[in-house]
Amino acid sequence: AQSVTQPDIHITVSEGASLELRCNYSYGATPYLFWYVQSPGQGLQLLLKYFSGDTLVQGIKGFEAEFKRSQSSFNLRKPSVHWSDAAEYCCAVKEGGGADGLTFGKGTHLIIQP
Amino acid sequence: EPEVTQTPSHQVTQMGQEVILRCVPISNHLYFYWYRQILGQKVEFLVSFYNNEISEKSEIFDDQFSVERPDGSNFTLKIRSTKLEDSAMYFCASSSGASYGYTFGSGTRLTVV
Repeated sequence: AQSVTQPDIHITVSEGASLELRCNYSYGATPYLFWYVQSPGQGLQLLLKYFSGDTLVQGIKGFEAEFKRSQSSFNLRKPSVHWSDAAEYCCAVKEGGGADGLTFGKGTHLIIQP
Repeated sequence: EPEVTQTPSHQVTQMGQEVILRCVPISNHLYFYWYRQILGQKVEFLVSFYNNEISEKSEIFDDQFSVERPDGSNFTLKIRSTKLEDSAMYFCASSSGASYGYTFGSGTRLTVV
């Protein structure tokens, strides 16, 4: 069964600093990979996704992620965080095409220090 | 931008009662999903629905749960006899195709007392 690991439960960064959130997955083939952001009381908003092609993908709000097959990782990055980026970030994986559901990681709670 | 709409946003129900959670997916989407998130835990897949039938379901989606697309716009999740452990945020999602992203609704917070 596929699984997603987000090793950091909480991360605190200063406003303006760079950010990297880690995500590792366990799956045999090339999965479909996603990053979602969840603000309190809100739904899940898609930041970016990777299906194939260029392993560096750009998303909304200045986020990017890089797929590294050798490390089974799909880490999320942002060069300079803003206070409004404080939220829960969830990595998810899907088994290729079809109507399969997403398998989510436990999420990383991002705290922004002024 | 098109949205997935869920109603109600909050629902409190007594244990043993039936509840129906409602969702209006994006109009041209073909795949529909329900997920749940127990407080403090990760988002978990419940069921996917395509071409008017269940495509996949998780272990959580037992006989107490059912889904329906009663008309061309609504997608519902029914829990027949709620238990305390059904208390969670329930998210509906839809997608236009297998290779596209999923759009999630804002969720229904279900509290079973």
